[in-house]
Amino acid sequence: GENVEQHPSTLSVQEGDSAVIKCTYSDSASNYFPWYKQELGKGPQLIIDIRSNVGEKKDQRIAVTLNKTAKHFSLHITETQPEDSAVYFCAASIPKSLDKYIFGTGTRLKVLA
Amino acid sequence: GAVVSQHPSRVICKSGTSVKIECRSLDFQATTMFWYRQFPKQSLMLMATSNEGSKATYEQGVEKDKFLINHASLTLSTLTVTSAHPEDSSFYICSAQNRLPETQYFGPGTRLLVL
Repeated sequence: GENVEQHPSTLSVQEGDSAVIKCTYSDSASNYFPWYKQELGKGPQLIIDIRSNVGEKKDQRIAVTLNKTAKHFSLHITETQPEDSAVYFCAASIPKSLDKYIFGTGTRLKVLA
Repeated sequence: GAVVSQHPSRVICKSGTSVKIECRSLDFQATTMFWYRQFPKQSLMLMATSNEGSKATYEQGVEKDKFLINHASLTLSTLTVTSAHPEDSSFYICSAQNRLPETQYFGPGTRLLVL
């Protein structure tokens, strides 16, 4: 079945620097890749997503890139701010399984002021 | 973005009692809702997929008689933890899915503590 690996598990950056989180997936049929931000004690919040027919998508300081051949996708956050500190999860959608998501293991991002 | 609510946000109950958690999509009709469980510092674990008007599909290892799911309408799904025990203590999160596109929007979660 589908497996999603996410790296790194923790990431500390100085305020203003960039942060990059990477995920790889195993099922070539996956066609939708959302990224979620989860703050302590809250539910995950969608921050950006990308479909398999697109290589890159950007929304202000956040961007996502997708390499279908290599089956990996990455989240890029530029000009990081302390409020970006949270746990970030990537996910891959499985179209053969009612569009269920397989989640990565999460990355705890700390932005140091 | 779409809004999903959960109620209650936290609940403490005695061992052996049943607890019901509601999940509502407030501004869209959700063809499918999902229930997840999350342990501290871990990822989300899918428990079951719920479609309006039909039986839920449970993931392997999840007891359907223990975790009862009812999807009564396109905006409401409920999860009932029956005869709860301390090992059921966890953070339960639902999500609701728009069909086009197939994005899942998550609720704020329900923290269950069974004493």
